[in-house]
This record gives sequence, structure tokens and C-alpha cells, in this order.
Amino acid sequence: GNSVTQMEGPVTLSEEAFLTINCTYTATGYPSLFWYVQYPGEGLQLLLKATKADDKGSNKGFEATYRKETTSFHLEKGSVQVSDSAVYFCALNSNSGYALNFGKGTSLLVTP
Amino acid sequence: ETGVTQSPTHLIKTRGQQVTLRCSSQSGHNTVSWYQQALGQGPQFIFQYYREEENGRGNFPPRFSGLQFPNYSSELNVNALELDDSALYLCASSLGAFDSANEKLFFGSGTQLSVL
Repeated sequence: GNSVTQMEGPVTLSEEAFLTINCTYTATGYPSLFWYVQYPGEGLQLLLKATKADDKGSNKGFEATYRKETTSFHLEKGSVQVSDSAVYFCALNSNSGYALNFGKGTSLLVTP
Repeated sequence: ETGVTQSPTHLIKTRGQQVTLRCSSQSGHNTVSWYQQALGQGPQFIFQYYREEENGRGNFPPRFSGLQFPNYSSELNVNALELDDSALYLCASSLGAFDSANEKLFFGSGTQLSVL
């Protein structure tokens, strides 16, 4: 079935550093791709999504581009803040279409 | 603030017991999904309800069951608890008959279940 693999954390960065969290996928057909974020003590929130090849999702300074040729959807941010400290999950819709399949999550810690 | 609330926040049970977890969706959201998130893992889809009927299920045994009520509340029931059921259980609601490609999921903060 459809699945994603994302880089393991934890990732520790200084404030204003550049962030990349890698995510690759395996899928039949053309899935939609998502990044969800989980702040401490909270539920998951949709950060951004892309529904077709070459689409770029963006939100709050984060970006990810749907790359069909490399089956990737890497998350990037040019300058991270302490408030970005959270766990980030890459996901795609399941073969059935009514569920999301998540990666294991990447923990990000940004220090002042 | 997603407008989705779950109770209780934490729960401790013994192996073999039964547990009921509760979720209150956003008003008007007809779809609720439940996910299990083991420590250090991503959420795993358990099942989904649309207008009080189960319309999708992941790879979980029948001892995981659910109910959805007309007032946008729902329950996840787990019978014959096993140690491996220890996890964070998340409910998520969405507006229509959920199409994961196009719908946005609104997650609650979860119930942390510990089975001893």
C-alpha cells in the first residue's frame, strides 16, 4: 500500500538556520501529499499539502514540492524559530482514499 | 484550537479490561476518524465513521469498535486490552464524507492509554 519514509530525528538547529526534513513516498497512482505538525501537548495540525506533481505547498514560511521523478516531498524553511519546535509528519492518502498514512515523524528542536 | 475535544486525557487500564474513549467533533462535521499513535511512531488509521456508519477500517482487530452519535460525539471501544494497545489515541473530524486527498482533518489532542 501507499507509504512514506521520512528522515529520523531528532533534528536540532539554532534559530534562523535552514531546515530540511526529507520525505519519500511509495504509492500506486497519484496520491496527495501532506505535512502535519504536532506541537507539544496538542493534536496534529495540517501544515501544508500538494495534490499533484510539481505542486508546491506552503504555509508559515514552510514549503514542500511534490516531486514525482524522485518520489519526494521534502519540507523546507529558510529560517527556523524556537516556536517551530515540534514533531513533523509526512503523510499521503491511502489506497482507499479515506485515510492518511503517516511517516514516523521527525522531532525538531530549535534553540535560541 | 481545532474544536475537537477528547476525554479523558490520560487513562490507565489493566490487561484484559475494556476501555471507552470519547471524542467531540466540530459542529457540522459528519466524519470522524480514529488513529492510534504508538510511542515514536506515526498515527495508524483504525477506522472512520460517516453519519453514524462505519465506512472504512484499517488493519485493526474487531475488538476495536466505535460509535458515532447525531450530536457529533463519538466513542472508541477496545475490548480485552493488550499491553501493545498502550498508545495515544487520536480522533479527527472533517466536514463531509472524507476524501483524504481534498479534505482537511481536524485532530484532537488525544487520549494517552497505558495498559499494565
